[in-house]
Amino acid sequence: EPEVTQTPSHQVTQMGQEVILRCVPISNHLYFYWYRQILGQKVEFLVSFYNNEISEKSEIFDDQFSVERPDGSNFTLKIRSTKLEDSAMYFCASVLGLSYNEQFFGPGTRLTVL
Amino acid sequence: GDSVTQMEGPVTLSEEACLTINCTYTATGYPSLFWYVQYPGEGLQLLLKATKADDKGSNKGFEATYRKETTSFHLEKGSVQVSDSAVYFCALSDRTSYDKVIFGPGTSLSVIP
Repeated sequence: EPEVTQTPSHQVTQMGQEVILRCVPISNHLYFYWYRQILGQKVEFLVSFYNNEISEKSEIFDDQFSVERPDGSNFTLKIRSTKLEDSAMYFCASVLGLSYNEQFFGPGTRLTVL
Repeated sequence: GDSVTQMEGPVTLSEEACLTINCTYTATGYPSLFWYVQYPGEGLQLLLKATKADDKGSNKGFEATYRKETTSFHLEKGSVQVSDSAVYFCALSDRTSYDKVIFGPGTSLSVIP
Protein backbone atom coordinates (compact mmCIF):
# COMPACT_ATOMS: atom_id res chain seq x y z
CA GLU A 1 0.00 0.00 0.00
CA PRO A 2 1.43 3.40 -0.93
CA GLU A 3 2.41 5.61 1.97
CA VAL A 4 3.77 9.04 2.77
CA THR A 5 7.33 8.95 4.04
CA GLN A 6 9.24 11.58 6.01
CA THR A 7 12.90 12.08 6.81
CA PRO A 8 14.53 12.38 9.19
CA SER A 9 12.47 10.79 11.93
CA HIS A 10 14.20 12.97 14.51
CA GLN A 11 16.14 16.19 13.98
CA VAL A 12 18.03 18.00 16.70
CA THR A 13 19.24 21.51 15.97
CA GLN A 14 20.55 24.59 17.69
CA MET A 15 18.39 27.69 17.99
CA GLY A 16 18.92 29.98 15.02
CA GLN A 17 19.89 27.19 12.64
CA GLU A 18 18.03 26.36 9.45
CA VAL A 19 16.34 23.00 9.12
CA ILE A 20 14.74 21.27 6.18
CA LEU A 21 12.19 18.56 6.78
CA ARG A 22 11.54 16.23 3.90
CA CYS A 23 8.48 14.38 2.78
CA VAL A 24 7.73 12.08 -0.12
CA PRO A 25 3.97 12.16 -0.76
CA ILE A 26 2.09 9.37 -2.48
CA SER A 27 3.09 9.54 -6.11
CA ASN A 28 -0.17 10.47 -7.84
CA HIS A 29 -1.39 12.83 -5.15
CA LEU A 30 -1.79 16.48 -6.04
CA TYR A 31 -2.34 18.33 -2.76
CA PHE A 32 0.20 18.47 0.02
CA TYR A 33 0.11 19.70 3.58
CA TRP A 34 2.24 20.29 6.62
CA TYR A 35 0.94 20.11 10.16
CA ARG A 36 2.67 20.37 13.49
CA GLN A 37 1.97 18.99 16.94
CA ILE A 38 3.66 20.52 19.92
CA LEU A 39 4.17 17.85 22.57
CA GLY A 40 0.92 17.04 24.32
CA GLN A 41 -1.10 19.46 22.23
CA LYS A 42 -3.36 19.21 19.25
CA VAL A 43 -2.32 18.90 15.65
CA GLU A 44 -2.30 22.28 13.89
CA PHE A 45 -2.48 23.05 10.19
CA LEU A 46 0.50 24.95 8.80
CA VAL A 47 0.18 25.11 5.03
CA SER A 48 -1.39 23.54 1.97
CA PHE A 49 0.30 23.36 -1.42
CA TYR A 50 -1.01 22.69 -4.89
CA ASN A 51 0.38 23.18 -8.38
CA ASN A 52 3.64 24.52 -7.00
CA GLU A 53 1.96 27.22 -5.00
CA ILE A 54 0.83 27.72 -1.47
CA SER A 55 -2.96 27.52 -1.49
CA GLU A 56 -3.50 28.36 2.15
CA LYS A 57 -1.37 29.00 5.21
CA SER A 58 -2.08 29.49 8.88
CA GLU A 59 -0.92 32.34 11.06
CA ILE A 60 1.76 30.02 12.42
CA PHE A 61 3.35 29.85 8.97
CA ASP A 62 5.23 33.12 9.09
CA ASP A 63 8.21 34.36 7.09
CA GLN A 64 10.51 31.88 8.83
CA PHE A 65 8.74 29.00 7.09
CA SER A 66 8.79 28.04 3.44
CA VAL A 67 7.74 25.02 1.41
CA GLU A 68 8.96 23.67 -1.84
CA ARG A 69 8.45 20.79 -4.20
CA PRO A 70 11.88 20.81 -5.76
CA ASP A 71 11.79 17.76 -7.99
CA GLY A 72 8.27 16.45 -8.44
CA SER A 73 8.56 13.86 -5.69
CA ASN A 74 9.87 15.56 -2.55
CA PHE A 75 7.95 18.12 -0.58
CA THR A 76 10.01 20.09 1.90
CA LEU A 77 9.38 22.38 4.83
CA LYS A 78 12.17 24.80 5.66
CA ILE A 79 12.46 26.72 8.87
CA ARG A 80 14.94 29.49 8.29
CA SER A 81 16.02 30.33 11.83
CA THR A 82 14.66 27.91 14.38
CA LYS A 83 13.32 28.98 17.74
CA LEU A 84 12.82 26.92 20.87
CA GLU A 85 9.07 27.03 20.30
CA ASP A 86 9.48 25.33 16.92
CA SER A 87 10.17 22.10 18.78
CA ALA A 88 7.33 19.83 17.73
CA MET A 89 6.36 16.85 15.64
CA TYR A 90 5.86 17.84 12.03
CA PHE A 91 3.52 15.79 9.87
CA CYS A 92 3.32 15.82 6.12
CA ALA A 93 0.11 14.75 4.39
CA SER A 94 -1.11 14.32 0.85
CA VAL A 95 -4.39 13.75 -0.88
CA LEU A 96 -5.26 12.67 -4.40
CA GLY A 97 -7.54 15.63 -5.03
CA LEU A 98 -10.03 17.86 -3.33
CA SER A 99 -13.08 16.09 -1.94
CA TYR A 100 -11.31 12.75 -1.88
CA ASN A 101 -11.52 13.40 1.84
CA GLU A 102 -8.85 11.15 3.22
CA GLN A 103 -5.50 12.74 3.77
CA PHE A 104 -2.67 10.28 4.14
CA PHE A 105 -0.28 11.29 6.88
CA GLY A 106 3.39 10.51 7.15
CA PRO A 107 4.94 9.18 10.37
CA GLY A 108 6.24 12.60 11.35
CA THR A 109 9.57 14.24 12.06
CA ARG A 110 10.30 15.16 15.62
CA LEU A 111 12.18 18.46 15.67
CA THR A 112 14.04 19.38 18.84
CA VAL A 113 15.48 22.88 19.05
CA LEU A 114 18.09 23.38 21.77
CA GLY B 1 -13.76 29.63 11.56
CA ASP B 2 -14.28 25.91 11.68
CA SER B 3 -13.45 24.13 14.92
CA VAL B 4 -13.68 20.81 16.72
CA THR B 5 -14.33 20.27 20.40
CA GLN B 6 -13.91 16.96 22.18
CA MET B 7 -13.72 15.71 25.74
CA GLU B 8 -10.10 15.94 26.71
CA GLY B 9 -9.68 13.26 29.30
CA PRO B 10 -7.52 11.49 30.19
CA VAL B 11 -9.95 8.63 30.14
CA THR B 12 -9.10 5.42 32.00
CA LEU B 13 -11.21 2.32 31.46
CA SER B 14 -11.01 -1.30 32.41
CA GLU B 15 -10.71 -3.84 29.65
CA GLU B 16 -14.09 -4.74 28.08
CA ALA B 17 -15.71 -1.51 29.27
CA CYS B 18 -17.75 0.65 26.91
CA LEU B 19 -16.16 3.74 25.42
CA THR B 20 -17.72 6.99 24.30
CA ILE B 21 -15.65 10.02 23.38
CA ASN B 22 -17.80 13.04 22.62
CA CYS B 23 -17.00 15.28 19.69
CA THR B 24 -18.83 18.31 18.37
CA TYR B 25 -17.90 20.58 15.53
CA THR B 26 -18.56 24.00 14.11
CA ALA B 27 -18.40 24.43 10.37
CA THR B 28 -19.86 26.82 7.83
CA GLY B 29 -20.14 24.26 5.07
CA TYR B 30 -20.58 20.51 4.89
CA PRO B 31 -17.38 19.02 6.23
CA SER B 32 -16.21 15.45 6.21
CA LEU B 33 -15.59 14.10 9.71
CA PHE B 34 -12.82 11.85 10.93
CA TRP B 35 -11.40 10.09 13.92
CA TYR B 36 -7.64 9.71 13.94
CA VAL B 37 -5.70 7.61 16.43
CA GLN B 38 -2.16 8.16 17.62
CA TYR B 39 -0.50 5.26 19.42
CA PRO B 40 2.39 6.08 21.76
CA GLY B 41 5.41 7.28 19.82
CA GLU B 42 3.71 6.92 16.45
CA GLY B 43 2.09 9.08 13.81
CA LEU B 44 -1.53 9.68 12.93
CA GLN B 45 -3.68 6.88 11.61
CA LEU B 46 -7.14 7.34 10.19
CA LEU B 47 -9.51 5.27 12.29
CA LEU B 48 -12.80 6.03 10.55
CA LYS B 49 -14.57 8.69 8.56
CA ALA B 50 -17.99 9.91 7.45
CA THR B 51 -18.56 12.24 4.55
CA LYS B 52 -22.21 13.26 4.90
CA ALA B 53 -25.03 13.49 7.38
CA ASP B 54 -26.22 10.19 8.88
CA ASP B 55 -23.22 8.31 7.54
CA LYS B 56 -21.74 5.86 10.02
CA GLY B 57 -18.02 5.23 9.96
CA SER B 58 -16.70 2.03 11.50
CA ASN B 59 -13.40 0.24 11.91
CA LYS B 60 -11.84 -2.17 14.40
CA GLY B 61 -15.02 -2.19 16.50
CA PHE B 62 -15.17 1.61 16.70
CA GLU B 63 -18.15 3.50 15.31
CA ALA B 64 -19.19 7.11 14.88
CA THR B 65 -22.27 8.62 13.23
CA TYR B 66 -22.33 12.00 11.49
CA ARG B 67 -25.15 13.89 13.19
CA LYS B 68 -25.79 17.15 11.41
CA GLU B 69 -28.67 18.20 13.67
CA THR B 70 -26.47 18.07 16.76
CA THR B 71 -23.18 18.77 14.91
CA SER B 72 -21.68 15.75 16.61
CA PHE B 73 -19.52 12.76 15.73
CA HIS B 74 -19.13 10.77 18.94
CA LEU B 75 -16.75 7.81 18.95
CA GLU B 76 -18.02 4.57 20.50
CA LYS B 77 -16.76 1.09 21.14
CA GLY B 78 -18.60 -1.60 22.97
CA SER B 79 -15.66 -3.39 24.53
CA VAL B 80 -12.22 -1.80 24.71
CA GLN B 81 -8.93 -3.66 24.82
CA VAL B 82 -5.58 -2.75 26.31
CA SER B 83 -4.30 -2.31 22.76
CA ASP B 84 -6.78 0.54 22.25
CA SER B 85 -4.75 2.74 24.59
CA ALA B 86 -3.89 5.78 22.51
CA VAL B 87 -4.81 9.39 21.86
CA TYR B 88 -7.92 9.87 19.74
CA PHE B 89 -8.42 13.00 17.65
CA CYS B 90 -11.74 14.08 16.21
CA ALA B 91 -11.25 16.12 13.05
CA LEU B 92 -13.01 17.70 10.13
CA SER B 93 -11.99 18.45 6.60
CA ASP B 94 -13.19 21.64 5.04
CA ARG B 95 -13.79 21.36 1.32
CA THR B 96 -13.98 25.12 0.98
CA SER B 97 -10.47 25.41 2.35
CA TYR B 98 -8.40 23.04 0.24
CA ASP B 99 -9.45 20.15 2.44
CA LYS B 100 -7.19 21.13 5.32
CA VAL B 101 -7.87 19.02 8.37
CA ILE B 102 -8.84 20.74 11.59
CA PHE B 103 -8.21 18.66 14.67
CA GLY B 104 -9.75 18.60 18.09
CA PRO B 105 -7.48 18.67 21.13
CA GLY B 106 -7.31 14.89 21.44
CA THR B 107 -8.50 12.49 24.12
CA SER B 108 -6.01 10.23 25.83
CA LEU B 109 -7.39 6.76 26.53
CA SER B 110 -5.77 4.26 28.86
CA VAL B 111 -7.22 0.78 29.10
CA ILE B 112 -6.13 -1.26 32.10
CA PRO B 113 -6.34 -5.05 32.33
